[in-house]
Amino acid sequence: GEDVEQSLFLSVREGDSSVINCTYTDSSSTYLYWYKQEPGAGLQLLTYIFSNMDMKQDQRLTVLLNKKDKHLSLRIADTQTGDSAIYFCAESIYGNQFYFGTGTSLTVIP
Amino acid sequence: DAGVIQSPRHEVTEMGQEVTLRCKPISGHNSLFWYRQTMMRGLELLIYFNNNVPIDDSGMPEDRFSAKMPNASFSTLKIQPSEPRDSAVYFCASSPGSPNTEAFFGQGTRLTVV
Repeated sequence: GEDVEQSLFLSVREGDSSVINCTYTDSSSTYLYWYKQEPGAGLQLLTYIFSNMDMKQDQRLTVLLNKKDKHLSLRIADTQTGDSAIYFCAESIYGNQFYFGTGTSLTVIP
Repeated sequence: DAGVIQSPRHEVTEMGQEVTLRCKPISGHNSLFWYRQTMMRGLELLIYFNNNVPIDDSGMPEDRFSAKMPNASFSTLKIQPSEPRDSAVYFCASSPGSPNTEAFFGQGTRLTVV
């Protein structure tokens, strides 16, 4: 499979911004995703970006894609305790296969 | 739609026993994925089906693991014989495939092999 890498842990204070980073290897990826996993639950799609885009914003979420460096990031503004979860970066080629990173565990400190 | 349904939610079994995990994908989805999640290795793709046909099983760890998809609405992942190192959460996901891009996950089966 393809390599999708993320750091394992991130801690931030409530109200600060969180930035979760991801690198991938497959330059033919067409879509890149951020999924969120809450304790005891499956993964749920947060947002995705098509590979010909540089940025996508959705309320408190900002996704940045640097295709040259194969780097994807997720910024969460005004992080809340309810944002504590594991965040997975994933890539696919036209939605036919999905390769996930190991996940970044975000802890929000009140 | 009820989403991707996995059963059982929890399974505890003794080493050496056969374990069968089940998945019902979302109706109309033509792609199905089995993943394994552990603390050490994160989320790993085990096998991927498209239109009931296994396309990529390179992630299946050993011959002890096998997966089938006899029809569009059902898939199984079998481990025989099970070992303690198989303990993990196993997720099934389905996707409509192109042009829709999202993979929908089930709640997972937490397997403990003692």
